[in-house]
Amino acid sequence: GENVEQHPSTLSVQEGDSAVIKCTYSDSASNYFPWYKQELGKGPQLIIDIRSNVGEKKDQRIAVTLNKTAKHFSLHITETQPEDSAVYFCAASPRSGNTGKLIFGQGTTLQVKP
Amino acid sequence: DGGITQSPKYLFRKEGQNVTLSCEQNLNHDAMYWYRQDPGQGLRLIYYSQIVNDFQKGDIAEGYSVSREKKESFPLTVTSAQKNPTAFYLCASSIVGRDIQYFGAGTRLSVL
Repeated sequence: GENVEQHPSTLSVQEGDSAVIKCTYSDSASNYFPWYKQELGKGPQLIIDIRSNVGEKKDQRIAVTLNKTAKHFSLHITETQPEDSAVYFCAASPRSGNTGKLIFGQGTTLQVKP
Repeated sequence: DGGITQSPKYLFRKEGQNVTLSCEQNLNHDAMYWYRQDPGQGLRLIYYSQIVNDFQKGDIAEGYSVSREKKESFPLTVTSAQKNPTAFYLCASSIVGRDIQYFGAGTRLSVL
């Protein structure tokens, strides 16, 4: 079935450094790839997304890259700040028609040390 | 304020008991979703609905039931058949035909 693998499961960086989280997906027909940030005890919030007709998208300190051939996409956070500490999830929309379903990765816990 | 409201924030279930988690949205979204979140496993889809009075099973529907009598509401019942119900439950909604999902704050369910 459809699957999204996310790595690493935990990531610790110093404030000001960059952080990179990587995901691979199995369904080559997937065409939408969002990234969500979840703070402790809260629901996930969309931070950036990309569609399959685009290779890269940026929003201030956050960027996402997509390699359709390799079925791989990544989240890049530059100049990390302590408030970036959270769990990050990638997701992909599977082949199964216009259901709006998303398949989520396992999550990455990012810790930014002051 | 538009958004998704989940209640209660914390819920405890006794052995053999059914419990119902509430999800209400005022975003005028047609599609609604229920996810279960366990540590290290990401979000897994339980049920989803794209229109009133219709819903489909997700990947882990066994032991759960839903209803969609109103566009704004999509309650989830965790039945006694769900033997391992302890988890964080998240409700989401979206516009049909649009991929972006918006999430509520979640309900944490524990077993007494």
